[in-house]
Amino acid sequence: QVQLVESGGGLVKPGGSLRLSCAVSGFTFSDYYMSWIRQAPGKGLEWVSYISRSGDIISYADSVEGRFTISRDNAKNSLYLQMNSLRAEDTAVYYCARDNVDIVALDYWGQGTLVTVSS
Amino acid sequence: EIVLTQSPATLSLSPGERATLSCRASQSVSSYLAWYQQKPGQAPRLLMYDASNRATGIPARFSGSGSGTDFTLTISSLEPEDFAVYYCQQRSNTFGQGTKLEIE
Repeated sequence: QVQLVESGGGLVKPGGSLRLSCAVSGFTFSDYYMSWIRQAPGKGLEWVSYISRSGDIISYADSVEGRFTISRDNAKNSLYLQMNSLRAEDTAVYYCARDNVDIVALDYWGQGTLVTVSS
Repeated sequence: EIVLTQSPATLSLSPGERATLSCRASQSVSSYLAWYQQKPGQAPRLLMYDASNRATGIPARFSGSGSGTDFTLTISSLEPEDFAVYYCQQRSNTFGQGTKLEIE
């Protein structure tokens, strides 16, 4: 079955960096776009970034542009999010999701990893 | 940037009642609108895509309609497990702010 498992979250100081990973199984990873979505505590969902099948097409939300970098390793069935210059407002649960362009929707989600930015 | 506005923010209903949730886009998104359900402590789950197509395993009591800028998610007869927060999303990026469906 399809599984997405995020890791790498934790507590980091403002201005610090963190790298999130998303390990996937149960489908051909290289056939799908992938996305990161976040949810601040008690708030709604915010799309963060997506990456195309080969990694040649990437987009970011304005709120993270220039600070976050999405990448993927199709040989390792893994998606990444490098987060630099972290701010308190980046505190959130970060979800990876399969971005199914055939239906233009995020059809499978991981359980999320919590990132807390605090001094 | 396209903004999605969901209404109402909170909807209080009883099991067995009909729920109607709205999502309005600031400009046309054609039919590229999806709906998600999120329960406390869980990841969101895809309910509908292309405005009116149910995702795999979603019960028939869920239906979606609309195109352009105005969309509706309808739950024909609420089950206890349907009380959750619902989000709309356009083109796999921008989300609405959510509608909380709570038990009256």
